[in-house]
Amino acid sequence: KNQVEQSPQSLIILEGKNCTLQCNYTVSPFSNLRWYKQDTGRGPVSLTIMTFSENTKSNGRYTATLDADTKQSSLHITASQLSDSASYICVVSRAYNTNAGKSTFGDGTTLTVKP
Amino acid sequence: DSGVTQTPKHLITATGQRVTLRCSPRSGDLSVYWYQQSLDQGLQFLIQYYNGEERAKGNILERFSAQQFPDLHSELNLSSLELGDSALYFCASSVEASGSNEQFFGPGTRLTVL
Repeated sequence: KNQVEQSPQSLIILEGKNCTLQCNYTVSPFSNLRWYKQDTGRGPVSLTIMTFSENTKSNGRYTATLDADTKQSSLHITASQLSDSASYICVVSRAYNTNAGKSTFGDGTTLTVKP
Repeated sequence: DSGVTQTPKHLITATGQRVTLRCSPRSGDLSVYWYQQSLDQGLQFLIQYYNGEERAKGNILERFSAQQFPDLHSELNLSSLELGDSALYFCASSVEASGSNEQFFGPGTRLTVL
């Protein structure tokens, strides 16, 4: 079964600190992996999208890594800000499948940044 | 702003009623996806339309239905509403049909069933 598991489920850090969120997946064959940020009550916003050949991709203070061999991805947030408080969702898509809806969503990690 | 619009923003109704949620995709996007997000839950894929045709079904109840019109906007119809249908409903759009590329999400419709 194609699955995406994120850890931790929730995380509290102090403003200015760094943190790393994890995403492990069993989706196969792999097409791409996306990280979204979802503020409470709002629609998810894309942070990064990574294909098989990409190991690292940055978007400002957000850096995503991908290890396609171990089927793991991480999202590293540097110098956290209060506005980083949100849910971070990992989405993995399958390749070579004519059925749509082939993106599998993780349950998200809820990050709280405290002053 | 993702370019995806959803109306209404909030909807309060009673059990047993029927409601229609509306979504307009980004200009140029042919695919529309509907998702349900219950309180403190992850996004659950409901259904996808591509250029007017149903493309994929997820965990969509038989009481729910959707369609995509020639102008590419989409509507999600929820009938015989139950308390458990209270949730955020998101629409997303993308250029192509595969569902594996980046999807742009709307702001959501918050449905409250009393």
